Amino acid sequence: RKEVEQDPGPFNVPEGATVAFNCTYSNSASQSFFWYRQDCRKEPKLLMSVYSSGNEDGRFTAQLNRASQYISLLIRDSKLSDSATYLCVVRNLQGQNFVFGPGTRLSVLP
Amino acid sequence: DTGVSQDPRHKITKRGQNVTFRCDPISEHNRLYWYRQTLGQGPEFLTYFQNEAQLEKSRLLSDRFSAERPKGSFSTLEIQRTEQGDSAMYLCASSFFSQETQYFGPGTRLLVL
Repeated sequence: RKEVEQDPGPFNVPEGATVAFNCTYSNSASQSFFWYRQDCRKEPKLLMSVYSSGNEDGRFTAQLNRASQYISLLIRDSKLSDSATYLCVVRNLQGQNFVFGPGTRLSVLP
Repeated sequence: DTGVSQDPRHKITKRGQNVTFRCDPISEHNRLYWYRQTLGQGPEFLTYFQNEAQLEKSRLLSDRFSAERPKGSFSTLEIQRTEQGDSAMYLCASSFFSQETQYFGPGTRLLVL
């Protein structure tokens, strides 16, 4: 089993739709959690960190459930420019490296 | 441009050749990471440096791979005796010690024929 797993995708949604991505992680020692966005043939960029109490940044809401080892990302009122691959990332206390999930591709259609 | 830079952006080589990639991190960042990414997958951690010290290496990093960061600034990743399975995007990222946000470079795309 991979350490970080995500919805396989792709997700094809119309503009204005709400879309949710799920991510699970297997290492209970994971301490930090993030969502990155990666456009086609570009480098990943941080979208948002994920905090225990959940956090929101405009149309984006991230949730963390430590008991279930589950992270989610909700995008409301999706825009064409949201089309990208969304990567779930965890960091463990023991190591300093970041573990990336395989990503979920989103296509927002006009 | 004060972001992370990588050179070259593209490299085509024949199987068995050695290749070396360079990464220049954001100047004040003391942590530097190397990742490998293949199509349809997320980046896989290879190794990371804090200043000039290489603190962690993935089991993915075979003996043919070596990375250095001699002065705690730029880093090089060398692959010896390349194999077709080494074909991938090699990404470098940097961060400041007290912060967890990583900034990625544009990557070096390697194709081994």
